[in-house]
Amino acid sequence: GNSVTQMEGPVTLSEEAFLTINCTYTATGYPSLFWYVQYPGEGLQLLLKATKADDKGSNKGFEATYRKETTSFHLEKGSVQVSDSAVYFCALLISGNTGKLIFGQGTTLQVKP
Amino acid sequence: DADVTQTPRNRITKTGKRIMLECSQTKGHDRMYWYRQDPGLGLRLIYYSFDVKDINKGEISDGYSVSRQAQAKFSLSLESAIPNQTALYFCATSDVRGRETQYFGPGTRLLVL
Repeated sequence: GNSVTQMEGPVTLSEEAFLTINCTYTATGYPSLFWYVQYPGEGLQLLLKATKADDKGSNKGFEATYRKETTSFHLEKGSVQVSDSAVYFCALLISGNTGKLIFGQGTTLQVKP
Repeated sequence: DADVTQTPRNRITKTGKRIMLECSQTKGHDRMYWYRQDPGLGLRLIYYSFDVKDINKGEISDGYSVSRQAQAKFSLSLESAIPNQTALYFCATSDVRGRETQYFGPGTRLLVL
């Protein structure tokens, strides 16, 4: 079946530290991959996406590369800020035209000054 | 103004009561979705609708029903609420193209006593 697995949280970092949040997936076909972010008290917002193998999505200093060989889509940022504190969700869109997103369990990031 | 709105934002109800959560969007999207979020489980799809006449069950539709009153409105009902339906509920919309981004509302926090 289709599934997404993220690293367990919470992740606690100091400001300006390097961030990696691991995400691996299982899917049939050729899914698109997404990172969504949920700030406290808000809904989910798209952070970045990649639609095919070797694509790199990037936004607000965050990056993730679609690795088909390792079925991974790890999120990275070189220098985190306190304002990056949020819950991050990795998700895949099942290939075809279903429009159905499969989410990982979410990883909470807390950045301390 | 927000593109995807949800009402109410918070709701407390009692076991056995019928309640309705409403979602409206101004994005002009054809597709609308209802998800629930539980701690440690990410988001799970309840129902989705590709247009007014096309409604489909998601992975956890038992105990829920939906109504697509218009392109812009998609309501979720709990016919007889139970405590394990306590969760954060999100509505989302997307464009008809299969790989397009989903846009989320701010969520409704539901507590069933």
